[in-house]
Amino acid sequence: AQKITQTQPGMFVQEKEAVTLDCTYDTSDPSYGLFWYKQPSSGEMIFLIYQGSYDQQNATEGRYSLNFQKARKSANLVISASQLGDSAMYFCAMREGPGGYNKLIFGAGTRLAVHP
Amino acid sequence: GAVVSQHPSRVICKSGTSVKIECRSLDFQATTMFWYRQFPKQSLMLMATSNEGSKATYEQGVEKDKFLINHASLTLSTLTVTSAHPEDSSFYICSASVTGRFPYEQYFGPGTRLTVT
Repeated sequence: AQKITQTQPGMFVQEKEAVTLDCTYDTSDPSYGLFWYKQPSSGEMIFLIYQGSYDQQNATEGRYSLNFQKARKSANLVISASQLGDSAMYFCAMREGPGGYNKLIFGAGTRLAVHP
Repeated sequence: GAVVSQHPSRVICKSGTSVKIECRSLDFQATTMFWYRQFPKQSLMLMATSNEGSKATYEQGVEKDKFLINHASLTLSTLTVTSAHPEDSSFYICSASVTGRFPYEQYFGPGTRLTVT
């Protein structure tokens, strides 16, 4: 079974609008972390936001927020006020276990295109 | 921030030769480093996890004799693709994490594009 599922291969959004990128996960480990990364065409992976399994509140980082619904096992990324520079691939990833030595499992990614 | 560099950024080699890719953490000590492979328009696939001073742990299906990983210091890990073939052409990305630095996100290098002719 897929551990991380991103069901949207591609998304379009108008500049200055908000967009939600979906991510669902599957784990039986009570301690896990969820990450979102952005990958522009240059290939670098840019860390955007993190949500821990025990966090009570949804994570926010500037224009990025994470809609964490633990019971549904979803961790959707919300980008507010989209900018042209937001056009990129976005990957959701999960770390099972509490430590930094634990590997990340990536979803298939969503390609976001921001239109002027 | 935490900066990870990779060298070279692009490499073209002939079939049958070996290629070494370096991954360095520039401003922190990386307890654990990871190597990923990414085919065009696909996600990152973890190849192996390496901890400084110990043997790498390879993911299922990854040939350890073909993809040699050395993590000799807390700031350097190398991936050597031995006897490269055209099917090894891919984008290779390393990442590093720091024990004790919550939330333990992985810091990624800029990637190395390998083309085997």
